[in-house]
Amino acid sequence: NAGVMQNPRHLVRRRGQEARLRCSPMKGHSHVYWYRQLPEEGLKFMVYLQKENIIDESGMPKERFSAEFPKEGPSILRIQQVVRGDSAAYFCASSPSRVEETQYFGPGTRLLVL
Amino acid sequence: QKEVEQNSGPLSVPEGAIASLNCTYSDRGSQSFFWYRQYSGKSPELIMSIYSNGDKEDGRFTAQLNKASQYVSLLIRDSQPSDSATYLCAVPYSGGGADGLTFGKGTHLIIQP
Repeated sequence: NAGVMQNPRHLVRRRGQEARLRCSPMKGHSHVYWYRQLPEEGLKFMVYLQKENIIDESGMPKERFSAEFPKEGPSILRIQQVVRGDSAAYFCASSPSRVEETQYFGPGTRLLVL
Repeated sequence: QKEVEQNSGPLSVPEGAIASLNCTYSDRGSQSFFWYRQYSGKSPELIMSIYSNGDKEDGRFTAQLNKASQYVSLLIRDSQPSDSATYLCAVPYSGGGADGLTFGKGTHLIIQP
């Protein structure tokens, strides 16, 4: 059973460009979470999605950031007009259901903004 | 917002000894608690989950929960150099059920050979 998959693993963008991070949950998992880990900081929750629905986006910045989890395909975290402060590791996690809450993390995408 | 507190360390423990990692949380209504291990440059890996007061053992790991004191701990017996990592305590936002996790900043554990 394949684990959570994320790509790309490393992403370099210049200021003002767009970053698209993709996450495929574990097979059978319908809940996806995105977290950000800034250098020397803890993990911070950003957004929680189910298929075609955003359940909780309270941790996501109001501007420039958006997330989706379409009926088909991976979940996408999109950062528009990136700034240097967006440089971080972005982790995706998945869980199988609302009742089974244990979250399993993907390998992460390391975003570097030049 | 819920808070999860951990001593950042580093916590240095000799090989073969017991490592004790502690975590306190602010929301008395929290029902689920998770310990993750994170090696430098890697993603968090689930170690233990605990839901009820008392102890839960899995191999060399024991999680302890005291809801009255809002305290959860992780014991690692027979510590190995490969246990050197950052250990993260996590609590769901809503206290239970599928939800975003609030993480502590983690305790950096060093096992000395």
